[in-house]
Amino acid sequence: EAQVTQNPRYLITVTGKKLTVTCSQNMNHEYMSWYRQDPGLGLRQIYYSMNVEATDKGDVPEGYKVSRKEKRNFPLILESPSPNQTSLYFCASSPGQIYGYTFGSGTRLTVV
Amino acid sequence: RKEVEQDPGPFNVPEGATVAFNCTYSNSASQSFFWYRQDCRKEPKLLMSVYSSGNEDGRFTAQLNRASQYISLLIRDSKLSDSATYLCVVNIKSSASKIIFGSGTRLSIRP
Repeated sequence: EAQVTQNPRYLITVTGKKLTVTCSQNMNHEYMSWYRQDPGLGLRQIYYSMNVEATDKGDVPEGYKVSRKEKRNFPLILESPSPNQTSLYFCASSPGQIYGYTFGSGTRLTVV
Repeated sequence: RKEVEQDPGPFNVPEGATVAFNCTYSNSASQSFFWYRQDCRKEPKLLMSVYSSGNEDGRFTAQLNRASQYISLLIRDSKLSDSATYLCVVNIKSSASKIIFGSGTRLSIRP
């Protein structure tokens, strides 16, 4: 089944403890992207990648890192999480700029 | 001004009604347009792309007006299962993968 898989689905962590949210797609898509969704603010792009070793900042990149060493994987790294990074995170992939994105099921992160 | 603006709703309409949403975008270089639906606490799912000539998929019709910079979604014969938040999405041509989401319009269909 064609899909985008994120893990974990739920995560509660403490301030400052490094964490990684994994994202993998099995559709051979070139484009991948991370979003966070907050009430009243909608979906905001954190980072995106056009292909392996090609990443760029979105609208809200502060406090996040990404890497794209392989086409299928696009992990999101929070080196030192803070409470304002408590949010619902989505990873998404697309075959190209003019196509829609397929989203993962989301990761609900709480930083205390 | 937001790059993509939608009426947040909520729209509360009876089953069987026709409902229409509009979405305006500010960047005239925008290249691709989409409608997504998102159910509560779930991921957004692509509903349909929006083409310049307008397109239809069953009960759903999408239209694009480049001159006025808006897109629309029309839902005919609405079903209870259409209750969701509808997100307008614009892909800005000048930046690869620069996709902007509207904040969404909530739709609730009542029996």
